[in-house]
Amino acid sequence: GQQVMQIPQYQHVQEGEDFTTYCNSSTTLSNIQWYKQRPGGHPVFLIQLVKSGEVKKQKRLTFQFGEAKKNSSLHITATQTTDVGTYFCAGRRGFGNEKLTFGTGTRLTIIP
Amino acid sequence: NAGVTQTPKFQVLKTGQSMTLQCAQDMNHEYMSWYRQDPGMGLRLIHYSVGAGITDQGEVPNGYNVSRSTTEDFPLRLLSAAPSQTSVYFCASKGGSSVDTQYFGPGTRLTVL
Repeated sequence: GQQVMQIPQYQHVQEGEDFTTYCNSSTTLSNIQWYKQRPGGHPVFLIQLVKSGEVKKQKRLTFQFGEAKKNSSLHITATQTTDVGTYFCAGRRGFGNEKLTFGTGTRLTIIP
Repeated sequence: NAGVTQTPKFQVLKTGQSMTLQCAQDMNHEYMSWYRQDPGMGLRLIHYSVGAGITDQGEVPNGYNVSRSTTEDFPLRLLSAAPSQTSVYFCASKGGSSVDTQYFGPGTRLTVL
């Protein structure tokens, strides 16, 4: 079946440093979504990428979708304590296929 | 709008007991789904529904039943609880378009003794 792997599993950074998490799928995806989950909370949708090579920015967050549509990354510039949480990618195999496969997540801890 | 609501927030069961986790949404979303979240394993899809009267299995459906008699409600039934079903359960909903945002409920933390 489809597998979506994320690395690293954990990341501890000093406040102000950059952070990147990578997502790799075993199959080509129609689109990929990114979610953030605060400790004790529920996943919250951040963004969806659809086009090959697409890059989207949300303030300090930059999201990329690979040319082959099998990998993606989330980069946070100058982390802040509010960025603490677990970041998940989730891929969909085909349009009309509503099943989302989530990555294992990257837990980000900020050292003040 | 209340969004996606789940009850109960916490539940402790004994092995072999049955129970229903409730999920409701007030956004008139066609698509609803149930996930379980275990440490280090992300979220895994249990069952999903693309509309009232239509349900399908996800990645880990064994031991769970669902039904979708209305657009608003999507209950998850545990027929005979097992310790392996100890987890946090999230319900989610989204509109019918593939670009629609998926909204998650606050979750139910279930412990099976």
